[in-house]
Amino acid sequence: DQQVKQNSPSLSVQEGRISILNCDYTNSMFDYFLWYKKYPAEGPTFLISISSIKDKNEDGRFTVFLNKSAKHLSLHIVPSQPGDSAVYFCAASLGSQGNLIFGKGTKLSVKP
Amino acid sequence: GAVVSQHPSRVICKSGTSVKIECRSLDFQATTMFWYRQFPKQSLMLMATSNEGSKATYEQGVEKDKFLINHASLTLSTLTVTSAHPEDSSFYICSARDLLRELVETQYFGPGTRLLVL
Repeated sequence: DQQVKQNSPSLSVQEGRISILNCDYTNSMFDYFLWYKKYPAEGPTFLISISSIKDKNEDGRFTVFLNKSAKHLSLHIVPSQPGDSAVYFCAASLGSQGNLIFGKGTKLSVKP
Repeated sequence: GAVVSQHPSRVICKSGTSVKIECRSLDFQATTMFWYRQFPKQSLMLMATSNEGSKATYEQGVEKDKFLINHASLTLSTLTVTSAHPEDSSFYICSARDLLRELVETQYFGPGTRLLVL
């Protein structure tokens, strides 16, 4: 039973446009959410996080939005660059020290 | 940034043999390391939490006698897949949490080990 769901296995975006990656969760006890980026043959690397006390966190081109009532979060990348092409994993945690529960990932392709 | 290495990156073995995978934190110390398994097009599933100097904590459904974990130092954890079978073929990823900051953001992942059991 997937507690963290990424329903889009892939997304293709033109360079310079916005990429929006979506994630849904089922466990309302989750209060910390993270996005990871993964290149082939490498481990996931941390990108950005948000706690449930916020609804938005921004870091450069990356913004994460959290809608607690809908149990939904999204990652916005703007403007998208070809180097952003990777698999993006959404993860949830109970607190900032809990174990990570991952989604299946979304493969983003940014075309020049 | 912090680096976690895994060795080997890829291993092919015969059914019934045992395989050891090493996970090292190269520039930080970790009292807590994690072992994940990822099947194709699936999420990373936590198998066990490895604690330095004590027994590992296994997730439900993971056989502790089959997946032996040893965390003998603050920079090394090993996962041994004993009597491997074809259904154990998977991508195994470790991660290590910086003991100075024990937060999910300071949990760094290794590049993974591809195991194929024939």
